[in-house]
Amino acid sequence: QSALTQPASVSGSPGQSITISCTGTSSDVGAYNYVSWYQQPPGKAPKLMIYDVSKRPSGVSNRFSGSKSGNTASLTISGLQAEDEADYYCSSYTTSNSVVFGGGTELTVL
Amino acid sequence: EVQLVESGGGLVKPGRSLRLSCTASGFIFGDYAMNWFRQAPGRGLEWVGFIRSKTYGGTTEYAASVKGRFTISRDDSKSIAYLQMNSLKTEDTAVYYCTRVVGYTFGTDWGQGILVTVSS
Repeated sequence: QSALTQPASVSGSPGQSITISCTGTSSDVGAYNYVSWYQQPPGKAPKLMIYDVSKRPSGVSNRFSGSKSGNTASLTISGLQAEDEADYYCSSYTTSNSVVFGGGTELTVL
Repeated sequence: EVQLVESGGGLVKPGRSLRLSCTASGFIFGDYAMNWFRQAPGRGLEWVGFIRSKTYGGTTEYAASVKGRFTISRDDSKSIAYLQMNSLKTEDTAVYYCTRVVGYTFGTDWGQGILVTVSS
């Protein structure tokens, strides 16, 4: 059982928007603005897509956005494209100086 | 360009030891904390532990599942981070990733990963 809770799967059609939720506690997601989101295509290493809840690294499309409310963070992908199909993981720093992940969400572009 | 290259993986018997290396380039290694994640076959990502930069004492933090068995160290003169894994268990079988820490983002940059298989 993962420390953060994500839906196992989400799907959407090209051009649509989807949102993946990530629910933690007041000891992790709710404690700091240190939530990250990673994209992992099959057989590849993860890639940072969002950090510090809502910041995008250089080179990441502005179709990807992040937010947080209380103990729940969210990743929104707008204008879905086939290349967005991958597993997505949320992660948070915790009050115990550790890092926790969600179980991952498989995104299918229909 | 930041590059992280893991090495030292392979097949090892339960109870034995293995040391992974992470060779870094493209940034001032000593200025950053370094971190290890792992991913068991078909499973999600799991945090293993990290080591702070010397500026912050070079201290370490570990996941409960590996504490007391795994040790992370660093050689800033060689730009290498190490993961010493002792008393290995079958459940330690995973792809291990080395990552660079920026601020409180533990996966800013990733290596390609290295497979460790613990089996008799």
